[in-house]
Amino acid sequence: EIVLTQSPGTLSLSPGERATVSCRASQIVPNSNLAWYQQKPGQSPRLLIYGASTRATDIPDRFTGSVSGTDFTLTISRLEPEDFAVYYCQQYDNSPPRYSFGQGTKLEIK
Amino acid sequence: QVTLKESGPALVKPTQTLTLTCSFSGFSLSTTQMRVAWIRQSPGKALEWLARIDWDDDEFYSTSLRARLTVSKDTFRNEVVLTMTNMDPVDTATYYCARISPTCNINSCYFDYWGQGTMVSVSS
Repeated sequence: EIVLTQSPGTLSLSPGERATVSCRASQIVPNSNLAWYQQKPGQSPRLLIYGASTRATDIPDRFTGSVSGTDFTLTISRLEPEDFAVYYCQQYDNSPPRYSFGQGTKLEIK
Repeated sequence: QVTLKESGPALVKPTQTLTLTCSFSGFSLSTTQMRVAWIRQSPGKALEWLARIDWDDDEFYSTSLRARLTVSKDTFRNEVVLTMTNMDPVDTATYYCARISPTCNINSCYFDYWGQGTMVSVSS
């Protein structure tokens, strides 16, 4: 079973800055099979990125996903006030079907 | 417009069985490639996938909770039901149902719409 480890646990930045959230898989994730979600307090998660780098519908282009080997990265180019939230990565394993999440990265206002 | 909404008891006692219902609209579980999943989140903790049911009645469960979970669907009522037996205080969490993208395949599978979640506390 693939384990996802996110870093950092908490990221303190100011609006306008660039945010980088990492998600490392314990082994190669086939076909860049990884998604990113944003969760704000009291809300359900919202899909941001799937297939490691494809933005979901209506997601601003300041959100970018990328992959290098077992390392996945979510980058927010210029933070808006509404971007401060918790971010989760998620991977899918087909044999048998199961889903794993990272432990989350909290992006907080500095 | 796809929407999902969870319902069920807010409080259950240890050893009891929890039954949650996910009522959805905007898609049908009789349509090929449609799937619905249950995910939970303990207070302040990460997300944990629990179960999935597919349009063709296939069911899949978290390895660690498999013995306690059952998922079923009522296609006509547009509902998915999750039961979890032998509830324990560690099962206190917000339980979400989510649609799995109909493009789900061996290469990519993710949750494109989520319900608002329902908080379940386990306490005597």
